[in-house]
Amino acid sequence: AQKVTQAQTEISVVEKEDVTLDCVYETRDTTYYLFWYKQPPSGELVFLIRRNSFDEQNEISGRYSWNFQKSTSSFNFTITASQVVDSAVYFCALKSTGGFKTIFGAGTRLFVKA
Amino acid sequence: DAGITQSPRYKITETGRQVTLMCHQTWSHSYMFWYRQDLGHGLRLIYYSAAADITDKGEVPDGYVVSRSKTENFPLTLESATRSQTSVYFCASSAWTGSSYEQYFGPGTRLTVT
Repeated sequence: AQKVTQAQTEISVVEKEDVTLDCVYETRDTTYYLFWYKQPPSGELVFLIRRNSFDEQNEISGRYSWNFQKSTSSFNFTITASQVVDSAVYFCALKSTGGFKTIFGAGTRLFVKA
Repeated sequence: DAGITQSPRYKITETGRQVTLMCHQTWSHSYMFWYRQDLGHGLRLIYYSAAADITDKGEVPDGYVVSRSKTENFPLTLESATRSQTSVYFCASSAWTGSSYEQYFGPGTRLTVT
């Protein structure tokens, strides 16, 4: 069975701090996709990144970076120099390459205080 | 505008009433999904559809009915609403683009059952 665990329910940081959101997944599939979504207070789901299981390169996009480690089944998300606008719920998700069901973690609520 | 829309955005209904949540997408994506979002659970799949007239149960289908007579529409019906169905409901559609997978979410419908 597939499973995504986001052990951090809530994280609170002060603006300009770096913060890492953890994501650990379980799957028996050899190929799969991993995703991160952001849900700001307005409620919509904003796609942040998709990572294919055979591509273990880390990715950086501005203040965001993602560390994919297949050996530990983790796909962690780091925000550098956090800002108040980063306050949101962040979801990690998993989908097997051959299937169409996406499994979501429970989410991590990030509070960034000014 | 192209995209995926949901209606209504907010709905209050009474226990025992039937209510239908609408979802419409303009991309002609084959796959469509209904998720519910509850605190501590992330997003859980209710039903999905692979094409018009093809639907199947997801993780939490009890109390819900779906239909898909047209590719672009995927309504979700609560036949006899219960308080436990108070939630935020997201519709999504997905497609393969080349070798990659994209999933797009609607803005959500906040349903309260009193």
